[in-house]
Amino acid sequence: NAGVTQTPKFRVLKTGQSMTLLCAQDMNHEYMYWYRQDPGMGLRLIHYSVGEGTTAKGEVPDGYNVSRLKKQNFLLGLESAAPSQTSVYFCASTPGQGWGVENNEQFFGPGTRLTVL
Amino acid sequence: AQRVTQPEKLLSVFKGAPVELKCNYSYSGSPELFWYVQYSRQRLQLLLRHISRESIKGFTADLNKGETSFHLKKPFAQEEDSAMYYCALGNNYGGATNKLIFGTGTLLAVQP
Repeated sequence: NAGVTQTPKFRVLKTGQSMTLLCAQDMNHEYMYWYRQDPGMGLRLIHYSVGEGTTAKGEVPDGYNVSRLKKQNFLLGLESAAPSQTSVYFCASTPGQGWGVENNEQFFGPGTRLTVL
Repeated sequence: AQRVTQPEKLLSVFKGAPVELKCNYSYSGSPELFWYVQYSRQRLQLLLRHISRESIKGFTADLNKGETSFHLKKPFAQEEDSAMYYCALGNNYGGATNKLIFGTGTLLAVQP
C-alpha cells in the first residue's frame, strides 16, 4: 500500500494563477482532510470530506475549493493564487466514524510545498 | 472554544537529559488527545494517543483532566528524537468528522 500520496511535491505559482493539488489514498478511508502548515501556526484545517461526494469547510477555507468525486481522491483547488497561500499543504485520511481508537488515527501524505510569487 | 496550546516553540536539551513537551487543551467534553511527530522532511505520523496508555520510542503522555494537560515526556533524550512535535485534540465521541485541532508545535532539538 502506498498510503496517502500527494501530487505535486513542489510548485511555484504567480499571483492569480490557478492550480489543483491531488491527494490519493489506497486504504479505503472514508474521511479525508486538507491542512496547511505555516511556521508558528501549526496545522490548520482547510476543508474536509466525510465521504464521496461530500465536502465541508474547515478553519481556513477562504480562497480554496475542494472536490471528492471518488472515494480515494480529494482535490484542493486554488482558483486565483495569492502570496498568502504560500505554505506546505498536507492531506490526511482516516477510516471514518467510530467509537474505537483504531478509527481515528489520521494518516498523512508527504506534503506539497507551494510558493506563490 | 476548543483549543490546544503548546507554549514552547523550541526546546533544546542535551542527549541523555529528560524531556517534557507541554500541551494544554480546552474542551468541554471528553477529550481525545494525540501526539504527532514530524521528523525532518518527513510526513507527520502518530506518536501516541492518550486512550492507549502506551509508550512509544520511550515517550509517554498522561492525560490530566484537572490541569487540562497532556504533556509528553521521555526520561533520556536521544539525538534521533529531534523533530517537530504536535499535540492534537480530537472530538470523536458521538461525532461524525474525526477532526483534529493541532497545537502550534514544539521543535525539539537534542544536542550531542
